[in-house]
Amino acid sequence: AQSVTQPDIHITVSEGASLELRCNYSYGATPYLFWYVQSPGQGLQLLLKYFSGDTLVQGIKGFEAEFKRSQSSFNLRKPSVHWSDAAEYFCAVGALYSGGGADGLTFGKGTHLIIQP
Amino acid sequence: DAGVTQSPTHLIKTRGQQVTLRCSPKSGHDTVSWYQQALGQGPQFIFQYYEEEERQRGNFPDRFSGHQFPNYSSELNVNALLLGDSALYLCASSLRTAHTEAFFGQGTRLTVV
Repeated sequence: AQSVTQPDIHITVSEGASLELRCNYSYGATPYLFWYVQSPGQGLQLLLKYFSGDTLVQGIKGFEAEFKRSQSSFNLRKPSVHWSDAAEYFCAVGALYSGGGADGLTFGKGTHLIIQP
Repeated sequence: DAGVTQSPTHLIKTRGQQVTLRCSPKSGHDTVSWYQQALGQGPQFIFQYYEEEERQRGNFPDRFSGHQFPNYSSELNVNALLLGDSALYLCASSLRTAHTEAFFGQGTRLTVV
């Protein structure tokens, strides 16, 4: 069965500092990997996705993530955080149907990001 | 483009009652998935609908059922509500035949008392 582990429940970072959120996955086939962000009481917004190709993917809001197959990891990074980045971050894994679209996603439990002034 | 829309935004139900939640997918999308997000947890996959049929199901009891209509909109039904069903229910839409991500709605907050 597939699973996603986000080892850090909470992370506190100073505004302007760099950020790395960890994500490890377990999946039997080639995974499709996603990072979503959720503000309080809101739905999920996609930050970036990895389907294939270049293992370093760029997303919105200055985020990037690197897929490392050997480590089963897909860590999210940002060189300089802003106060508006404070939110809950979820890593997710899925698989493609043989015909194309993705199946139901398995999410991690999330990492709560706190930004210090 | 209105994106994925869900209704209602909030509702309160009593234990044992039944509830129906609704979802309209993003324009051009044909696949709808439903997730349950308990407080402080990540979303958990309930099931996915495509071509008006349930294509995939997560580890949820038969009390959870759904439907997809010809216009691709969808309903989630939960029977015999339990206190533990209190959660944010998220609908996501996607396109079956493309390498696209799922777009999420804002969710329906269900409280069972």
